[in-house]
Amino acid sequence: DSGVTQTPKHLITATGQRVTLRCSPRSGDLSVYWYQQSLDQGLQFLIQYYNGEERAKGNILERFSAQQFPDLHSELNLSSLELGDSALYFCASSVAAQGVGYTFGSGTRLTVV
Amino acid sequence: AQSVTQLDSHVSVSEGTPVLLRCNYSSSYSPSLFWYVQHPNKGLQLLLKYTSAATLVKGINGFEAEFKKSETSFHLTKPSAHMSDAAEYFCVVSVLKAAGNKLTFGGGTRVLVKP
Repeated sequence: DSGVTQTPKHLITATGQRVTLRCSPRSGDLSVYWYQQSLDQGLQFLIQYYNGEERAKGNILERFSAQQFPDLHSELNLSSLELGDSALYFCASSVAAQGVGYTFGSGTRLTVV
Repeated sequence: AQSVTQLDSHVSVSEGTPVLLRCNYSSSYSPSLFWYVQHPNKGLQLLLKYTSAATLVKGINGFEAEFKKSETSFHLTKPSAHMSDAAEYFCVVSVLKAAGNKLTFGGGTRVLVKP
């Protein structure tokens, strides 16, 4: 157990729907990162939050949004889902905004049918 | 901008023989470099990291990597492969900026270990 908790582990939904992925960072970590792993794009950085504020943004679609709550857990919202959004979504956490040491969760596998 | 190229998408070795996974990076700034391993249906586990200290970095499970700035390389090695090393390995570069941080992943190298 890495200490980073992601729920749910698996999610199957239909095109056009909206889902929310949840991440609880390791105790003491203030930064949360979201990554997408797909067969065609590999592992890509989506977005980073630090202590509730957005810090860095990667290749995140406009249909996707995220937030970090006062208790430091984070949610990634994916809307108007398309087949191509099927992927493994990882959350990672670190102590600082410029954390060199990341801890990854075990991921949420999203399947859009 | 930063990028990572893993030179082999698949590597096949026999148990007990050395493993070499090759990685080249490109970065406009002084990078931090990492190797992560992903076992089937599992998350990403950090093997080792380079953060501008010693150029030869030792990690977990007998792995080590050498940072060579002149060659912009960060190859991962292990003297003797074990069946449990069968997994996908990712070379990663990180550049710290004032605003935040992101990791850029290589395409991954899938390692097969033959008995």
